[in-house]
Amino acid sequence: GIQVEQSPPDLILQEGANSTLRCNFSDSVNNLQWFHQNPWGQLINLFYIPSGTKQNGRLSATTVATERYSLLYISSSQTTDSGVYFCAVSLTSGTYKYIFGTGTRLKVLA
Amino acid sequence: NAGVTQTPKFRVLKTGQSMTLLCAQDMNHEYMYWYRQDPGMGLRLIHYSVGEGTTAKGEVPDGYNVSRLKKQNFLLGLESAAPSQTSVYFCASSTGTGSGNYGYTFGSGTRLTVV
Repeated sequence: GIQVEQSPPDLILQEGANSTLRCNFSDSVNNLQWFHQNPWGQLINLFYIPSGTKQNGRLSATTVATERYSLLYISSSQTTDSGVYFCAVSLTSGTYKYIFGTGTRLKVLA
Repeated sequence: NAGVTQTPKFRVLKTGQSMTLLCAQDMNHEYMYWYRQDPGMGLRLIHYSVGEGTTAKGEVPDGYNVSRLKKQNFLLGLESAAPSQTSVYFCASSTGTGSGNYGYTFGSGTRLTVV
């Protein structure tokens, strides 16, 4: 089946720093999402981004489907950005069964 | 604006006991999903439904059953709980085809411990 790899697995930043998280996938995908899981376990959808670039405040994401990767950019990081970031991809249209990567654990220090 | 609601939030079961987890969504979403999350891992799909009265198996369906008798509810059942089913269970929903945005809305999770 499809492999979803995220890098780096762990990241520690000083508040105010910028970072780039990467998601590589082994097959063509129709759909891709980025999620943030906060320290209390809540999963929040950040972007639905099957292709192209989107921005939402300090966060932006780019997916290059033809090259099988997606990037999540975090600028001017804050302690509230801490948690785990998951990339999830879906191969098939119509059912939207997403396969999740193992995540990037981010810790932002004050 | 409740979104996706999961009950219960926490549960401890003895091996062999049964229980049902309830997921309710008020967004009129067609599709619903049950995932489990184990420590240090991503989420794995257990079962899903593409509409009222339909269910299908995901990646790790063994030991679980599901039902979707009403569009807004998706139930996950454990008939005979095993310690390997200790996990955090997440329900999610999404719109059907044609909406243009197939992103998930997740519930807050159910932490299940089987002893």
